[in-house]
Amino acid sequence: EPEVTQTPSHQVTQMGQEVILRCVPISNHLYFYWYRQILGQKVEFLVSFYNNEISEKSEIFDDQFSVERPDGSNFTLKIRSTKLEDSAMYFCASSVFGPSQYFGPGTRLTVL
Amino acid sequence: QQQVKQSPQSLIVQKGGISIINCAYENTAFDYFPWYQQFPGKGPALLIAIRPDVSEKKEGRFTISFNKSAKQFSLHIMDSQPGDSATYFCAAKKNNNAGNMLTFGGGTRLMVKP
Repeated sequence: EPEVTQTPSHQVTQMGQEVILRCVPISNHLYFYWYRQILGQKVEFLVSFYNNEISEKSEIFDDQFSVERPDGSNFTLKIRSTKLEDSAMYFCASSVFGPSQYFGPGTRLTVL
Repeated sequence: QQQVKQSPQSLIVQKGGISIINCAYENTAFDYFPWYQQFPGKGPALLIAIRPDVSEKKEGRFTISFNKSAKQFSLHIMDSQPGDSATYFCAAKKNNNAGNMLTFGGGTRLMVKP
């Protein structure tokens, strides 16, 4: 069964550094998403991406965040200057077109 | 109005019993309601979803009951098994939401005792 994959599984960075989280969505899916989950809390929407542009973003997704589909398979989330409060699990998800979203295993980001 | 409220926060059920998790929402623009199952260290996995034009949907041991007038929906896990022990999240999406943004509930940690 096709799956969303994410790399790395764990990223440790210093405050103020840039990080790029990578995802390979399911191959025939057209919508791509990033969510985050702070430890012990609920999953929060960051951004959705369709047809090479952002289709929706939340208040969390400020100027420090950006997304890109650099090629036909990868989908990335960049945090320009990490803060301590960016420490969380970041999940990539994808869907064919509608709202049934399939999540990857996540990247645990630790900002020191 | 964007919130989805989930209860209980934790639930202990004996093997073979029925697990029931409830969610409530305020925004009548929500038109798609999925449930996700999450094991520790893993991403949420889509279990089952419902739209408000039906009152119930069943897939195997999992059933969603939907009450449009009360703005509530619930997940029932029949014949609960220890392997069902996980955190369950309800979610909702608005009907005019081109970006498919899901708003999640706070989660329910289910433990099924053998």
